[in-house]
Amino acid sequence: AQSVAQPEDQVNVAEGNPLTVKCTYSVSGNPYLFWYVQYPNRGLQFLLKYITGDNLVKGSYGFEAEFNKSQTSFHLKKPSALVSDSALYFCAVRDYGGATNKLIFGTGTLLAVQP
Amino acid sequence: DSGVTQTPKHLITATGQRVTLRCSPRSGDLSVYWYQQSLDQGLQFLIQYYNGEERAKGNILERFSAQQFPDLHSELNLSSLELGDSALYFCASSFTGTSGGDNEQFFGPGTRLTVL
Repeated sequence: AQSVAQPEDQVNVAEGNPLTVKCTYSVSGNPYLFWYVQYPNRGLQFLLKYITGDNLVKGSYGFEAEFNKSQTSFHLKKPSALVSDSALYFCAVRDYGGATNKLIFGTGTLLAVQP
Repeated sequence: DSGVTQTPKHLITATGQRVTLRCSPRSGDLSVYWYQQSLDQGLQFLIQYYNGEERAKGNILERFSAQQFPDLHSELNLSSLELGDSALYFCASSFTGTSGGDNEQFFGPGTRLTVL
């Protein structure tokens, strides 16, 4: 069964510093990986996805993610954090099997950016 | 704004009652997904519809049911509500629901259900 793991419940970073939110995956077959962000009292917003191709994927709001097949990781990164980046971040993998592409989400990582 | 709309935004009801959550997908999207977000279970897939037909089921209780109508909007019906059903219910949509699709899903703002 497909799964993703987000090992950190919370990541704290100072504004202006680089940030990394970690995600590892377990899939049978080629992984389709996604990052979503959830701001308080809001729905999930799509940030970026990896389907195939370049291992470095660029997304919205200056975020990027690095796909690493050997380490089965898909970490979310940003060179310079903003206070407004503070939110809950979810890694997800598309499920296989049957005629569906439902998403399986990680437990989420709360990113706190201090001014 | 994702283009996915959900109503109502908040719903407060009592145990044993029945409620209906409504979702309108983005224009052109054929697939609708329902997810439940709770503190103890996280974000869990409930059910998916594609062009009016059920495509996949996840951790959906027998007390819950859903349907997708010809105009592609969807409704999630929750009955015999229990305290533990209190959660944020999200609807998402995508253009394709087939296993070959790589389209991202776009999420609505959610319906917060509180069962007292």
